[in-house]
Amino acid sequence: AQKVTQAQTEISVVEKEDVTLDCVYETRDTTYYLFWYKQPPSGELVFLIRRNSFDEQNEISGRYSWNFQKSTSSFNFTITASQVVDSAVYFCALMVREGGADGLTFGKGTHLIIQP
Amino acid sequence: SQTIHQWPATLVQPVGSPLSLECTVEGTSNPNLYWYRQAAGRGLQLLFYSVGIGQISSEVPQNLSASRPQDRQFILSSKKLLLSDSGFYLCAWNAAGGADTQYFGPGTRLTVL
Repeated sequence: AQKVTQAQTEISVVEKEDVTLDCVYETRDTTYYLFWYKQPPSGELVFLIRRNSFDEQNEISGRYSWNFQKSTSSFNFTITASQVVDSAVYFCALMVREGGADGLTFGKGTHLIIQP
Repeated sequence: SQTIHQWPATLVQPVGSPLSLECTVEGTSNPNLYWYRQAAGRGLQLLFYSVGIGQISSEVPQNLSASRPQDRQFILSSKKLLLSDSGFYLCAWNAAGGADTQYFGPGTRLTVL
């Protein structure tokens, strides 16, 4: 069985601060995929990034960066110079191939509040 | 490009009433389709998935059922709603054949009174 843990239920920072959202996952599969999604107040889940288990390169996209470490089973997400528009719930998710379809196992989410 | 639609956007239903939520995908063929539920203050839980017309797999035994009458249409139903069915229902799709990224619809917020 798979499990994703996002220990931070809520984080509140002042605009322009850097913030890191933690994600720890558990799986026995050697091939798996990790994702981050953003859920703004409107509710729709917005895809941010996907990483494959065999690719541990970190990634940077503008103010966003992701640190994937298989040794610690972590896939952390950092926002640099946070902005009010970054306020949302962020979900980390894990996918393994089972039975022909690709169900996602989600963490419980981290509610990020960026104060002006 | 692909788009995914869900309706209705919001729904308030009495306990014991039936339910039908619809999800359609445009711009792709033979997608995998998924129903997730997000209860208040909780993460997302996979309810059903489908790899083709008439093929439904259930992840969680419950008061709900799903059907896929057409290639790009996925329906979530209930004969009698319970209070515990309240939540935010999200439909998602991805391409068949690989562990492709799932893309989500705008969701339906269901309140059972």
